[in-house]
Amino acid sequence: AQKITQTQPGMFVQEKEAVTLDCTYDTSDPSYGLFWYKQPSSGEMIFLIYQGSYDQQNATEGRYSLNFQKARKSANLVISASQLGDSAMYFCAMRDRRSYQLTFGKGTKLSVIP
Amino acid sequence: GAGVSQTPSNKVTEKGKYVELRCDPISGHTALYWYRQSLGQGPEFLIYFQGTGAADDSGLPNDRFFAVRPEGSVSTLKIQRTERGDSAVYLCASSASSGITDTQYFGPGTRLTVL
Repeated sequence: AQKITQTQPGMFVQEKEAVTLDCTYDTSDPSYGLFWYKQPSSGEMIFLIYQGSYDQQNATEGRYSLNFQKARKSANLVISASQLGDSAMYFCAMRDRRSYQLTFGKGTKLSVIP
Repeated sequence: GAGVSQTPSNKVTEKGKYVELRCDPISGHTALYWYRQSLGQGPEFLIYFQGTGAADDSGLPNDRFFAVRPEGSVSTLKIQRTERGDSAVYLCASSASSGITDTQYFGPGTRLTVL
């Protein structure tokens, strides 16, 4: 079965610093997709970045990048130059070919300190 | 363009009552998903539609839960004989198709409170 583990319930980062949010996953399917979402206190899940299992390069989207280490089954989100508006819950999720739904981790609450 | 919309944003009901939650996906998206998010947890899958049909309803917790998507666009999640344990945020998502690379875009959710 698919499984996502986020071991950091909460993280603090100084404004303008970079922060890494950890995510490990488990699947037996060699073809899968990994997603990161941001959920502010308003509740909406906002898509941030996607990494495919066969992608040769780490995904990047603006200040977001994904540190994808396939052999270790990890897909850590790196946020550069943190902003106060980055304070939110962050969820790692995956899906493979055996199911259509996303499987989510429990999330990491990021707090950006001015 | 417009994102996924959900109504109502909040619903308070009494134990035993029937509720309907509505989802309007992104125009042109054929895949639609319902998830449920309890406090402090990530979203958990309920049901997936491809077009009008429920392609996977394995996440529905019991037969009190039912969802429809009659014209392949708007979907309604229906909960009969609500229980206090049904209290959660119900999230709807849509994607252009159902490949593993297709991003699911979420709506703002409906917060259901069963008293």
